[in-house]
Amino acid sequence: EPEVTQTPSHQVTQMGQEVILRCVPISNHLYFYWYRQILGQKVEFLVSFYNNEISEKSEIFDDQFSVERPDGSNFTLKIRSTKLEDSAMYFCASTEQGAQPQHFGDGTRLSIL
Amino acid sequence: RKEVEQDPGPFNVPEGATVAFNCTYSNSASQSFFWYRQDCRKEPKLLMSVYSSGNEDGRFTAQLNRASQYISLLIRDSKLSDSATYLCVVNMLSSGTYKYIFGTGTRLKVLA
Repeated sequence: EPEVTQTPSHQVTQMGQEVILRCVPISNHLYFYWYRQILGQKVEFLVSFYNNEISEKSEIFDDQFSVERPDGSNFTLKIRSTKLEDSAMYFCASTEQGAQPQHFGDGTRLSIL
Repeated sequence: RKEVEQDPGPFNVPEGATVAFNCTYSNSASQSFFWYRQDCRKEPKLLMSVYSSGNEDGRFTAQLNRASQYISLLIRDSKLSDSATYLCVVNMLSSGTYKYIFGTGTRLKVLA
């Protein structure tokens, strides 16, 4: 069964540094998402992406965040200057059509020191 | 009022028991509904979609009541492997695009 893959599985970074989280969505999917889950809390929507542009972003997704689909397969989330409170699991998801279930990658655990 | 509300639990039940989880949502424009399962420090995995007519998948039955803005999940004959957090998910259509709104999840522990 095709799956969403994410790299790295764990990223440790100093506060203030830039990080790029990578995702390869399922190949025929058109809608892409990033979510975040702080330890012990619920999964929160960050951003949705369709047709090479952001469809919607949450309040969490401020100017420090950006997304890109550089080559037709990868879908990346960049945090420009990380803060301690960015420490969380970051999940990428994709779906063929917006109303259909989303498929999640196994996440990147981001630890900011 | 929270957009998607669930009892966080934990629900501790013996093997073989039947257990039910409930979920309420606040936005009547919500489009589609799902139950996901999440194991500790893992990704959410789709358990089942939820339809107004009710749907069943083996030991799992899901129900949606749009009038009451209420979703339920029933697990029959609980197994040890059912121990996990069950996430109620509402798929919202907003500004022409969909996004998931998650509940906090309900923790289930099935005991031998």
